[in-house]
Amino acid sequence: DIVMTQSPDSLGVSLGERATINCKSSQTVLYDSNSKSYLAWYQQKPGQPPKLLIYWASTRESGVPDRFSGSGSGTDFTLTISSLQAEDAAVYFCQQYFDLPPTFGGGTKVEIK
Amino acid sequence: QVQLQESGPGLVKPSQTLSLTCTVSGGSISGGTYYWSWIRQSAGKGLEWIGRVYSSGGTNYNPSLRSRVAISVDTSNNQFFLRLSSVTAADTAVYYCARDVPDVFSYYYGMDVWGQGTTVIVSS
Repeated sequence: DIVMTQSPDSLGVSLGERATINCKSSQTVLYDSNSKSYLAWYQQKPGQPPKLLIYWASTRESGVPDRFSGSGSGTDFTLTISSLQAEDAAVYFCQQYFDLPPTFGGGTKVEIK
Repeated sequence: QVQLQESGPGLVKPSQTLSLTCTVSGGSISGGTYYWSWIRQSAGKGLEWIGRVYSSGGTNYNPSLRSRVAISVDTSNNQFFLRLSSVTAADTAVYYCARDVPDVFSYYYGMDVWGQGTTVIVSS
């Protein structure tokens, strides 16, 4: 299985400031055939299921605010929230869908400082 | 829009079989090239993909659970199912059903619709 490692486990960010979450895969999740990395980011709030935010490492799902951005390729990825809003307090997960089984990172809890 | 809803017993005894149903509404389970997945979340193991089923009945399972898992589909009732046998306390989790979505290259890139989840506790 591809192991997904996220860092940090948690971070506190002031409203309006930037939050940065990292995700590393144990092997590449980049398809040579289309040059796409099959890395997704999800947001999960308490009592709710995960919500797909970003796929292909950097493409925002429809309706996701543009303060959320993803970057990276191959094995190293970053989710950035450019200006943290109160409603962004949540746990964020990365997931690879390059190979079966799809695997998730352990999650990063973003709190308002 | 498409919605998913899990249902089933919230308490299962050790060594018995856990059975859950996911009902799809707002769209046909046979429409499109979606896979339909089961994922669970526990404090100890985080998010764990269990397996998926296609509308034709084709399946893929997590190797770590393959010997105990069966996922099936009933297209006439727009439902798919999870059966997990010989459960132990380690199977206590919130169980989600979700839709796996393919991209234009026909690769699956994520889960875009999720049910609200159902808590299953394994205890005597």
